[in-house]
Amino acid sequence: AQSVAQPEDQVNVAEGNPLTVKCTYSVSGNPYLFWYVQYPNRGLQFLLKYITGDNLVKGSYGFEAEFNKSQTSFHLKKPSALVSDSALYFCAVRDIRGYNDMRFGAGTRLTVKP
Amino acid sequence: SQTIHQWPATLVQPVGSPLSLECTVEGTSNPNLYWYRQAAGRGLQLLFYSVGIGQISSEVPQNLSASRPQDRQFILSSKKLLLSDSGFYLCAWSFQGPNYGYTFGSGTRLTVV
Repeated sequence: AQSVAQPEDQVNVAEGNPLTVKCTYSVSGNPYLFWYVQYPNRGLQFLLKYITGDNLVKGSYGFEAEFNKSQTSFHLKKPSALVSDSALYFCAVRDIRGYNDMRFGAGTRLTVKP
Repeated sequence: SQTIHQWPATLVQPVGSPLSLECTVEGTSNPNLYWYRQAAGRGLQLLFYSVGIGQISSEVPQNLSASRPQDRQFILSSKKLLLSDSGFYLCAWSFQGPNYGYTFGSGTRLTVV
């Protein structure tokens, strides 16, 4: 079965600095990978996904993620963090063989300080 | 375009009372539907998913049940709430197929007192 790990519960960065939120995955076949963001008391919002093709995927709000098959990673990045980026971030994976559910990581809380 | 509606936004219920949370999707047909619970603002626990009317898969045995009486309606229920049922409940939908992401509703904050 597929799984995903987010090794950091909390990431703190200063506004204007680059940010990275880490994610590693495990699937039997080729993965479909996703990043979501959640603001307090709200549902999850889709940021970006990797299906196939270019390993660098660009998404909403200036975020991007790099797929690394050899390291089984899909880290979320942004060149310059904003205070408004502070939120809970979830990495998720679906298996290409067509399971009907998505596996989410435990979430990483990103805090951007002014 | 597709939209998902989930209500109520907040709910305070006494222990032992029944529960009914509703989720509807507009603008698509035959979606996959999901119920998740999120405790303490952290990880998501998949409770139920459905790939069609009347088809419900349960991930975790618990005090809750789900039903899908119509193609785009997904209901989460309980006959008697427990304190441990408190949490943030999220409904989501997706197209059929693994290459699609999920679209989430705005969530229901349930507090059992």
